[in-house]
Amino acid sequence: GIQVEQSPPDLILQEGANSTLRCNFSDSVNNLQWFHQNPWGQLINLFYIPSGTKQNGRLSATTVATERYSLLYISSSQTTDSGVYFCAVEGSNYQLIWGAGTKLIIKP
Amino acid sequence: SQTIHQWPATLVQPVGSPLSLECTVEGTSNPNLYWYRQAAGRGLQLLFYSVGIGQISSEVPQNLSASRPQDRQFILSSKKLLLSDSSFYLCAWSVRQGDSPLHFGNGTRLTVT
Repeated sequence: GIQVEQSPPDLILQEGANSTLRCNFSDSVNNLQWFHQNPWGQLINLFYIPSGTKQNGRLSATTVATERYSLLYISSSQTTDSGVYFCAVEGSNYQLIWGAGTKLIIKP
Repeated sequence: SQTIHQWPATLVQPVGSPLSLECTVEGTSNPNLYWYRQAAGRGLQLLFYSVGIGQISSEVPQNLSASRPQDRQFILSSKKLLLSDSSFYLCAWSVRQGDSPLHFGNGTRLTVT
């Protein structure tokens, strides 16, 4: 089956810093989604991005489907950006395959 | 706009007791509904999904079951809880199966004692 790898597994930054999170996948996928899980467990869908680039405020994402990777950019980090970022890809059977996540800690 | 409600937020249950977690979606019709489980510090595991009333697909055989008695209602149940059922349970919905963003409820933190 499709393998999804996220890097780095952990990231600690000072408030105001920029960061790039990566998601690699091992085969062609129908789509890709990025999620943020805050420290209280709430999971928010950040981007639905099978290809191309999307931006939402300080966050943007780029998926290069032909090269099987996606990047999530966070600019001017805030403490509320802390949490775990997951990417999930959809395989041929419509089910999502999840990465292990990147745990981001933003220090004030 | 669409919203998803999941309750309760936290639950402490003794071993051997029954379980019923409920999830409802508002603002859309015939959504695809999902139950996920997440162990502490781990990723998400799909338990059940449903594409319509009474249609349930199980991804992981275990001590749990799911039902969809109404279009926008999804219930996760157990007849007898095990200690290993302690986890964080999340309900989610999407417009259709495949090629559609997934949106989550706030989750239920279940502790079996």
